[in-house]
Amino acid sequence: NAGVTQTPKFQVLKTGQSMTLQCAQDMNHNSMYWYRQDPGMGLRLIYYSASEGTTDKGEVPNGYNVSRLNKREFSLRLESAAPSQTSVYFCASRGLAGGNSYNEQFFGPGTRLTVL
Amino acid sequence: QQQVKQSPQSLIVQKGGISIINCAYENTAFDYFPWYQQFPGKGPALLIAIRPDVSEKKEGRFTISFNKSAKQFSLHIMDSQPGDSATYFCAASGGSNDYKLSFGAGTTVTVRA
Repeated sequence: NAGVTQTPKFQVLKTGQSMTLQCAQDMNHNSMYWYRQDPGMGLRLIYYSASEGTTDKGEVPNGYNVSRLNKREFSLRLESAAPSQTSVYFCASRGLAGGNSYNEQFFGPGTRLTVL
Repeated sequence: QQQVKQSPQSLIVQKGGISIINCAYENTAFDYFPWYQQFPGKGPALLIAIRPDVSEKKEGRFTISFNKSAKQFSLHIMDSQPGDSATYFCAASGGSNDYKLSFGAGTTVTVRA
């Protein structure tokens, strides 16, 4: 049981390049999330998927697109990377309601992205 | 603008001391208040959480105090240990927002031996 996995761990891009960050979870969770973490700003929600087949914008969606490929996988795409997108990106998943884990989000290890 | 305001930005405490981190929110629809702990190079992990029907929740050396009327909640780390050195984030969610979490900016805690 690996929990939430993310690839790659590190990435350096040049301005204008594109890339896709991959996320997968093996906990059979319905909801998945993408956050970015910047110093002094906590974690900010980029996009989320409440269930397979649905996606919605979060707080900072500009410059990103997402795909909920199936129940396990949720990818984040940068079509034309900009230096302002230099950040650490975290994927998370949330389990079904009930019990003490009603709202618990489980986070992956993160992808550290630098855009030059 | 951040919906959850967290302070201080950082703190240093001696081993065995008490660490206190404070958070404030404005959205009265929030009904779930978790604290996450993050070690360098790792993702955040849930530490402890509270709902507004109780004023305090304790798990081991970690306690959440909740003041609904003041719209504030805090994390107390008792008998702080060097292994508690990490960044702590408060968060909140609730209402009809699909359980989206709004995070505070984070507090870096350093416990000196």
